[in-house]
Amino acid sequence: KAGVTQTPRYLIKTRGQQVTLSCSPISGHRSVSWYQQTPGQGLQFLFEYFSETQRNKGNFPGRFSGRQFSNSRSEMNVSTLELGDSALYLCASQIAGALNEQFFGPGTRLTVL
Amino acid sequence: DQQVKQNSPSLSVQEGRISILNCDYTNSMFDYFLWYKKYPAEGPTFLISISSIKDKNEDGRFTVFLNKSAKHLSLHIVPSQPGDSAVYFCAALNNAGNMLTFGGGTRLMVKP
Repeated sequence: KAGVTQTPRYLIKTRGQQVTLSCSPISGHRSVSWYQQTPGQGLQFLFEYFSETQRNKGNFPGRFSGRQFSNSRSEMNVSTLELGDSALYLCASQIAGALNEQFFGPGTRLTVL
Repeated sequence: DQQVKQNSPSLSVQEGRISILNCDYTNSMFDYFLWYKKYPAEGPTFLISISSIKDKNEDGRFTVFLNKSAKHLSLHIVPSQPGDSAVYFCAALNNAGNMLTFGGGTRLMVKP
């Protein structure tokens, strides 16, 4: 069974641009969560989607948005990029239910110059 | 305001000895706790978990202890192996099960 895949793996953007990251969950998984990892801050929860609906959202500005498609694939978008958005963005999927059985992808490393 | 804290950013241990990684939390509504292990260029992988109704859970070389009154949990690895060298994150799940809050991570280095 293929794991969670994320594309692209690395990305360099400049301030003010916008970016879209993609996540393909494990086959059969309907829940997709996104996290931002920065040094010293650990993983911070961005949002979770289940069956194309956002079920929960973390404490991030509206520049961060996401969506989920009918095949459970998910995208997250960051508009008007800031230097502080440089981070590793991780996607995790699970079948359903509580977020205690998540499988993580390798992440997308975003650098904002 | 960090609700889950790992106060030691790094820990160095000799192979064969015990590694103890600590985690503190502030929110008494957390219901379930997990430890994840992360190697460079990979996503975190689940290691072990514990429900708030228990005070200990063991899986092979890994044991997690929970002290609810102190709002503290710890991960013990015995014996430590060089392959255990990684960043370890503790995480807490709220009682609704819909939000996972992570600590900042502890980098464990196990020296041969």
